[in-house]
Amino acid sequence: QTVVTQEPSFSVSPGGTVTLTCGLSSGSVSTTHYPSWYQQTPGQAPRTLIYSTNIRSSGVPDRFSGSILGNKAALTITGAQADDESDYYCVLYMGGGLVVFGGGTKLAVL
Amino acid sequence: QLHLQESGPGLVKPSETLSLTCTVSGGSISSSNYYWAWIRQPPGRGLEWIGTIHYSGSTYYNPSLKSRITISVDTSKNQFSLKLSSVTAADTAVYYCARLSQKNWFDPWGQGTLVTVSS
Repeated sequence: QTVVTQEPSFSVSPGGTVTLTCGLSSGSVSTTHYPSWYQQTPGQAPRTLIYSTNIRSSGVPDRFSGSILGNKAALTITGAQADDESDYYCVLYMGGGLVVFGGGTKLAVL
Repeated sequence: QLHLQESGPGLVKPSETLSLTCTVSGGSISSSNYYWAWIRQPPGRGLEWIGTIHYSGSTYYNPSLKSRITISVDTSKNQFSLKLSSVTAADTAVYYCARLSQKNWFDPWGQGTLVTVSS
């Protein structure tokens, strides 16, 4: 079964830039996987940040951006703020109606 | 603005069937452009896609759960439902419903409902 991989944890300094990645246990991520990214704080439902690789959801600040970097999808946060400290999940479309969540990245801003 | 709300028992006994309903308001579940999904999150762990349904009745299930899942839709009530059979403690989780677009992104999400499997 395909596994979607994310860094378990990451840290960034306030005002800094961080790039989280989303890969596959076998093969490369491309735009045909329609990568999407979600932010989740404790006790809350996930919030959509990015879809279709690089389209920001309504109301999402432009310091969040999505891309394909090498063989992975990537979420870059530029000018990190304290309230960016959250869990971040990617989702990939695997075809045939199947979608898979990554394991999530816990981001610390410190 | 589209709103999704999960409802159902918060406690289910082991070996029984978990049943949840998602009520969609502010829009029609019968839009051909969207699918409707169930996602869960065990306490302290990550998100897991359970399955997806189209108003036409087409369904797609997570292969790891497929043998125990039934997702159905009731267009007259603007609702879709999840049944998960033969539950164990490992099925304890917050269950979310969400809309899935043709571009395969989930939005909006319901607030989630915690279901505990315990005797």
